[in-house]
Amino acid sequence: KQEVTQIPAALSVPEGENLVLNCSFTDSAIYNLQWFRQDPGKGLTSLLLIQSSQREQTSGRLNASLDKSSGRSTLYIAASQPGDSATYLCAVSTYNDMRFGAGTRLTVKP
Amino acid sequence: DGGITQSPKYLFRKEGQNVTLSCEQNLNHDAMYWYRQDPGQGLRLIYYSQIVNDFQKGDIAEGYSVSREKKESFPLTVTSAQKNPTAFYLCASSIVAGSNEQYFGPGTRLTVT
Repeated sequence: KQEVTQIPAALSVPEGENLVLNCSFTDSAIYNLQWFRQDPGKGLTSLLLIQSSQREQTSGRLNASLDKSSGRSTLYIAASQPGDSATYLCAVSTYNDMRFGAGTRLTVKP
Repeated sequence: DGGITQSPKYLFRKEGQNVTLSCEQNLNHDAMYWYRQDPGQGLRLIYYSQIVNDFQKGDIAEGYSVSREKKESFPLTVTSAQKNPTAFYLCASSIVAGSNEQYFGPGTRLTVT
């Protein structure tokens, strides 16, 4: 059974800092990996989707990488802003099954 | 405006009562999902539906029921058999089941006292 782990559980950084969020998974036979953002009391917003054949995806200040063989993905946020404060979740898909990590709660201080 | 709607945003019920959470999508997606989120935990799959009139149990289906009579709608009923129903419930959809990207609704927070 796929297990997804996100470390750290919480992270606090000053504005402007570059940061990396980590996601690891136990079964490398995945279809894709997705990073989401969740604001308090809200639904999930998809940030980046990496197919199993891809190594990375970029959107604006966000860059996500995928290393299937080692069961790892990272989400890199450049020049962090207070508006980036949220919980970031990764989710790993195999056929008909999506497993979520518990998330990393990010606080960016002005 | 395409998307997924969930209603209500907040729901309060007394213990022993069944309650139904609404999920509607106008994205023309075949697959729909229900997840439960508890504090400090990842989302856990309750039920999913690949197509109209079909649905499958997820990891934590006990105490829940669903129907899929229309492509656009996938209501979730939390029954009195669910031992700990207080949670945040999220509905999602994808073009087809499997490898495609999932889109999420805004969620319903259910409190049972």
